[in-house]
Amino acid sequence: EPEVTQTPSHQVTQMGQEVILRCVPISNHLYFYWYRQILGQKVEFLVSFYNNEISEKSEIFDDQFSVERPDGSNFTLKIRSTKLEDSAMYFCASNLQGGEQFFGPGTRLTVL
Amino acid sequence: AQRVTQPEKLLSVFKGAPVELKCNYSYSGSPELFWYVQYSRQRLQLLLRHISRESIKGFTADLNKGETSFHLKKPFAQEEDSAMYYCALNDIGPGGYQKVTFGTGTKLQVIP
Repeated sequence: EPEVTQTPSHQVTQMGQEVILRCVPISNHLYFYWYRQILGQKVEFLVSFYNNEISEKSEIFDDQFSVERPDGSNFTLKIRSTKLEDSAMYFCASNLQGGEQFFGPGTRLTVL
Repeated sequence: AQRVTQPEKLLSVFKGAPVELKCNYSYSGSPELFWYVQYSRQRLQLLLRHISRESIKGFTADLNKGETSFHLKKPFAQEEDSAMYYCALNDIGPGGYQKVTFGTGTKLQVIP
C-alpha cells in the first residue's frame, strides 16, 4: 500500500540556520499539506498546496517558511532562519480531493 | 473560526470497560469530522469519518449537530487501543483545498 514518506526522520540544526524538510507524497495525489506538532501540544496546520501554488496558509506560516514541489515527486518545507521555537515534529500529508489525508511519519526538528 | 475541543488529555480505562472520548466542535458550515489515531511511534492514521458511518476496530462516532459533538465510543476497550486520539474537522474551501483543524488529543490508556 503506498505511503507518504519523509526525510530525515530527525534533523538537528543551529539557530539561524536554514533547513529543508522533504516529503514524497503518494504518487497520484494532488493536494499536499504540512502540519507541525510542538512537543506536548496539538497538531497545527501550516500550509496546503495545490496546482503548484499555496492554496491556504496559517498565521504560523510566515515569511520564514516556504514550500516547493521541485519535481514530480518531492514536496519540501524550507525554514530560512530557524528559531528555537521552530523545534517540533513536522508532518507532511497528501490526498486526492476531499476526505482522508494520508500522513507521513514526521520529521523531528531540533533547533539548538 | 472553526475549533475542535477535546476536554480530556488522558483517559484511563480497564480492559473490557466502555470507552468514550469526547469531541466538540465549532464550525459555521456543514462539518466534515474525523477521528485520527496515533499509536506509539507510528504516524497519524485515519480511524473513521462521520460521512461513512462505519465502525473501525469496534469504534463508532455519531455526529450530533444539536450538541455539536462527535464523541468516539467503543463498548469494550482492548489493550491495543492504547494510543493518542485526535478529533479533526475538515474545512473545504474554493478549488477543493482542505484545512484540517485538530483537537488537542486524548491519550487513551487501557489498563490490563
